[in-house]
Amino acid sequence: AQSVAQPEDQVNVAEGNPLTVKCTYSVSGNPYLFWYVQYPNRGLQFLLKYITGDNLVKGSYGFEAEFNKSQTSFHLKKPSALVSDSALYFCAVRDAAAGNKLTFGGGTRVLVKP
Amino acid sequence: ETGVTQSPTHLIKTRGQQVTLRCSSQSGHNTVSWYQQALGQGPQFIFQYYREEENGRGNFPPRFSGLQFPNYSSELNVNALELDDSALYLCASSPIQGARTGELFFGEGSRLTVL
Repeated sequence: AQSVAQPEDQVNVAEGNPLTVKCTYSVSGNPYLFWYVQYPNRGLQFLLKYITGDNLVKGSYGFEAEFNKSQTSFHLKKPSALVSDSALYFCAVRDAAAGNKLTFGGGTRVLVKP
Repeated sequence: ETGVTQSPTHLIKTRGQQVTLRCSSQSGHNTVSWYQQALGQGPQFIFQYYREEENGRGNFPPRFSGLQFPNYSSELNVNALELDDSALYLCASSPIQGARTGELFFGEGSRLTVL
């Protein structure tokens, strides 16, 4: 079975400061990892993915994530947060051996204060 | 390029009723999947359709069913509605070659309230 944990329900950060949203995963095979963002009353928007290769993945809107196999983590980062980054962030994993099911974490609400 | 569109955006039903939600996939995408997002939770996989056939299903009872049409649009049907079915239902599309490794493109969802 595959699972994702986002240990923080909410992350507060001042505008201009670094932002980190944590994610750990569990899969039986090779993981495909994703980050999505959800703004109020909207669907999910894709930010970035890790399939294979370089452990540091760069995505949309200045976000990046680091894949750490030994720690089974895929933390989302942004060097300098903007107020407009305030949203709900979801980490997701797909087990390469488990078909098409994408498993999401419970989400982390990010609040960036001016 | 047209994105994923869903209808209706909001609807209210009572227990025991049936509901049909609709989704038009993004242009060029032949795979559609449905997710249920309860309030305060992450989306949960319901099922996926490719070439008009279901080719993956999550832990949802048979009263959750779907269809995919030749134009790749899709419907989600839920029978015998229960209060716990109240949620945001998200449709996502992708090209089949990217269904495993590629990102999904989500619509804005249909919010169902069951009273």
